[in-house]
Parts: sequence; C-alpha cells; structure tokens
Amino acid sequence: QVQLVESGGGVVQPGRSLRLSCAASGFTFSTYGMHWVRQAPDKGLEWVAVTSNDGSIRYYADSVKGRFTVSRDNSKSTLYLQMNSLRADDTAMYYCARIRYSKSYPDNWGRGTLVTVSS
Amino acid sequence: DIQMTQSPSTLSASVGDRVTITCRASQSISNWLAWYQHKPGKAPNLLIYDASSLESGVPSRFSGSGSGTEFTLTISSLQPDDFATYFCQQYNSYPYTFGQGTKLEIK
Repeated sequence: QVQLVESGGGVVQPGRSLRLSCAASGFTFSTYGMHWVRQAPDKGLEWVAVTSNDGSIRYYADSVKGRFTVSRDNSKSTLYLQMNSLRADDTAMYYCARIRYSKSYPDNWGRGTLVTVSS
Repeated sequence: DIQMTQSPSTLSASVGDRVTITCRASQSISNWLAWYQHKPGKAPNLLIYDASSLESGVPSRFSGSGSGTEFTLTISSLQPDDFATYFCQQYNSYPYTFGQGTKLEIK
C-alpha cells in the first residue's frame, strides 16, 4: 500500500538549515506530484510547496519563497525539502502528501516530522 | 489567497449523533474541495474529494455537499472511531488553503 515516511526533523537554531526527506513506497513515485504541508503548534494546516512528477514545476507559499526548495530524486523515490534561514515561525510538523494522479488534491499523507526552530 | 473558514472549531457529540461541519470559502472554488480526518500521530486520511465524492474505503456515513463558497461534511451516525479532527482544503488555486479544523469530541 502507499506509504510516505518523513524524516530529518529536529531542533535547529534560527538562521540555520535543515533538509527534510519523504521516502515513498507502494506506488510509482515518478508518476505523481507531491506536496509539503506544515502545521504549527495549535495552528491550522499551511500548504508549503508542490512539485510536479518530474520536478520541472514547483510552487511555494509566500512565507517560504526564497528560503525553502522542494526537490525530488525519482530514482530513490524520495522527496526533499531544503529549508534555509530558518525562523521561529517555521516551527511545525511537516507532512508530505501525494497528489492523486491527474487530479489536484492530496490523497495520501505521511505522519509528519517535527521541526523546532529555537536558540 | 482564498480564505477557508471552518466551523465549529470544537464539536461535542455522542455515538449515534448526526453532525455537520461547515467550510466557507472567501471566493468561489467551484467544487474543488476535499475533507480529511486527522488523528494524533497519524497521517491525515482523505474522506471526500470534489466536494461530494466519497473516497474509496470510507464508510458511507460520511458525506459531503456544497459548491461555490459553502460546503458541509456530514457524519450521519457517529461511531467511536470518528472522534478526531476534521479539516477542509480548497484546491481551486495556489496557494492551497485549509480550514482551521474541527475537533470532534465525545460528549
């Protein structure tokens, strides 16, 4: 079955960098677009970034544009989120989610990885 | 950006109750709306897509309706497994946006 497993979260100081990974299995990863979504403590969900199946199209939320980069390695069935210049308000649980084939909505999500930005 | 206003934020109900959760969009999103169930420590689970289409494997007590700017998720007869947080998401345009969530609690 479809499985998405995020990793790479942790505690990081403001201004530093972190790279999250999302390992996919149970489907042909190279066929699907992917999202990153986050949820800050006691807040609602916030869409972060999206990439097309081949990585050629990428969009970002204004709050992360210029600091975060989404990428993927289809040979490894892995999605990445490179996060630079981290700020306290980037503290959140980060989820990856698969976009349903030929549609726009996420149909499968991971359990998330927690990023805490604190000095 | 399209704002999604979800209500109520908390809902107390009993097993067997019929409950309704509402999402309102700040502009028309046609029927490009999904509903998810989320339990602590687990991955969000897709319930409804395109406002009213039931995801495969989701019990038929879940239903969605609406179009344009007003949408509802209805659970016809609450089961113990249904106590969770529910949220809506619009996918009419980027940035995709979410409702603030409704925490469904046992009364």
